[in-house]
Amino acid sequence: GESVGLHLPTLSVQEGDNSIINCAYSNSASDYFIWYKQESGKGPQFIIDIRSNMDKRQGQRVTVLLNKTVKHLSLQIAATQPGDSAVYFCAENQSGNQFYFGTGTSLTVIP
Amino acid sequence: EAGVVQSPRYKIIEKKQPVAFWCNPISGHNTLYWYRQNLGQGPELLIRYENEEAVDDSQLPKDRFSAERLKGVDSTLKIQPAELGDSAVYLCASSLNSEQFFGPGTRLTVL
Repeated sequence: GESVGLHLPTLSVQEGDNSIINCAYSNSASDYFIWYKQESGKGPQFIIDIRSNMDKRQGQRVTVLLNKTVKHLSLQIAATQPGDSAVYFCAENQSGNQFYFGTGTSLTVIP
Repeated sequence: EAGVVQSPRYKIIEKKQPVAFWCNPISGHNTLYWYRQNLGQGPELLIRYENEEAVDDSQLPKDRFSAERLKGVDSTLKIQPAELGDSAVYLCASSLNSEQFFGPGTRLTVL
């Protein structure tokens, strides 16, 4: 069946460096993707989204890249800060409002 | 603006006992979701409401789980009887369009 997965379960980066979190999806019919950040004891928080008619979208310090050819999604965080430490999930949208979440990548920022 | 409110935040019960979770979505959001999140995993959809109608409950274990959203606002999720494997965080989310806003979740521990 369809699945959304992440390549790396954990990622450690130095403060100030750029972070790249990757995600693979298997349903080529998915047309909407969201990256979420989840801090300990909190619910997921929307970071940035992208639709399948785009291959790049930028926000404040974050960029999402979508490669539909290989069904790959990435989240780039510029100048990573300690407050960026969290678990990051990608989610794909299938059949309207149904979202499927990946396992998550735990990002640790080293001061 | 208040976010999605959930209560209780934590619940510890013995197996075979009933338990209920409550969610108050963001005012005006007609779509409400209940997710279950196991440790180290992404959220998994249990049920989605459009106003008071359950439009997707395919992942809800109907033998022990039930949900309602009276008047299309607040919602409750019930488990009766609870099993050890039900230990997880139960997240509620609401949306007006595509962006979902999550509550802090209820952490359920079944002993």
